[in-house]
Amino acid sequence: GESVGLHLPTLSVQEGDNSIINCAYSNSASDYFIWYKQESGKGPQFIIDIRSNMDKRQGQRVTVLLNKTVKHLSLQIAATQPGDSAVYFCADLRPPGNQFYFGTGTSLTVIP
Amino acid sequence: DGGITQSPKYLFRKEGQNVTLSCEQNLNHDAMYWYRQDPGQGLRLIYYSQIVNDFQKGDIAEGYSVSREKKESFPLTVTSAQKNPTAFYLCASTKGDRRFYGYTFGSGTRLTVV
Repeated sequence: GESVGLHLPTLSVQEGDNSIINCAYSNSASDYFIWYKQESGKGPQFIIDIRSNMDKRQGQRVTVLLNKTVKHLSLQIAATQPGDSAVYFCADLRPPGNQFYFGTGTSLTVIP
Repeated sequence: DGGITQSPKYLFRKEGQNVTLSCEQNLNHDAMYWYRQDPGQGLRLIYYSQIVNDFQKGDIAEGYSVSREKKESFPLTVTSAQKNPTAFYLCASTKGDRRFYGYTFGSGTRLTVV
């Protein structure tokens, strides 16, 4: 029969608006988290990270928020630009700490 | 500049053939990883190596093989036993403590079965 692929969550924002991308993780023992950006046909690029002893970290135009109580991570992008259009992944490091686990990703489209 | 180089960028395989994907890094990283990416799915770990001459299976190792004879190189062979090899393959590396550095990724190899 016909196979149906999974669809990424999508987010469309107007250029100049703020974007919020969310991620849920499953393991309460995860202690380090990273957001990656992946443009079409390329490898993921590091955006920002946060350790479990923090609940917020800011970079240039990006902020990551961590809520360990509900095991939720978010990435906020300020003044979104067309170059921000990409798929964004969260990744968490959990015991024994020898590999990261990746979410399915969110596809962000910035409308000029 | 240091980085990870994956080659080729595109690879076509006939059914029943083995093909090898190259991954080379000049970052002096200890650990290297191979991930598979399918449309609409997250990255799935195939194999990883934390030290030369040692490697471990990831979540989807069946139909794949690796070697780690040099610190800089971690080639992945997709064997004929892998029934659905069409995918985007990503190689990554990191220093010893992943908590401080995360992964550095290569630019990927897109493998298509013809």
